[in-house]
Amino acid sequence: KQEVTQIPAALSVPEGENLVLNCSFTDSAIYNLQWFRQDPGKGLTSLLLIQSSQREQTSGRLNASLDKSSGRSTLYIAASQPGDSATYLCAVDQTGANNLFFGTGTRLTVIP
Amino acid sequence: NAGVTQTPKFQVLKTGQSMTLQCAQDMNHNSMYWYRQDPGMGLRLIYYSASEGTTDKGEVPNGYNVSRLNKREFSLRLESAAPSQTSVYFCASSRDRGNNEQFFGPGTRLTVL
Repeated sequence: KQEVTQIPAALSVPEGENLVLNCSFTDSAIYNLQWFRQDPGKGLTSLLLIQSSQREQTSGRLNASLDKSSGRSTLYIAASQPGDSATYLCAVDQTGANNLFFGTGTRLTVIP
Repeated sequence: NAGVTQTPKFQVLKTGQSMTLQCAQDMNHNSMYWYRQDPGMGLRLIYYSASEGTTDKGEVPNGYNVSRLNKREFSLRLESAAPSQTSVYFCASSRDRGNNEQFFGPGTRLTVL
């Protein structure tokens, strides 16, 4: 069974800093990997989807990379802002059925 | 365009009671999903519906049933609630399977006493 791990569980950074969130998965045979954001008491918002054939995806200040062979993905956030404070979740789709295996998330706090 | 809506937002049940969680999407998506989120365990897939008229089990289906009522609506039923089903339940939808992002509802917080 696919296991998805996110370390650290929580991270605090000062405003303006660039930061990297990590995601690792045990089975490298994946279809895609997705990053989500979750605000307290709310649902999830999709940020980026990286297909298995891709190495990275970018959206604004966010850049996600994928290294299937090592079972790792990173989410890079440039010039962090207080509004980036949230929990960031990564999830893996193994088969293309869009049945996602989620990590437990990294709770990010950006301090003004 | 409301996206994915869920009702109710909160619910308290006693052990053994039954209830149905409702989910609807207005994006004309083919695929819909039910997840539960528990502290320290991440989201886990309960059931999914790849298209209207089909449903399949996910990772943790025991104690639940689902109905894909039409293309818009996908309900989750607890026939005899147990304290272990205390959780936050999320419904999601996507245009199709494959490389399609999922859109999530706001969640239902369920407590079983």
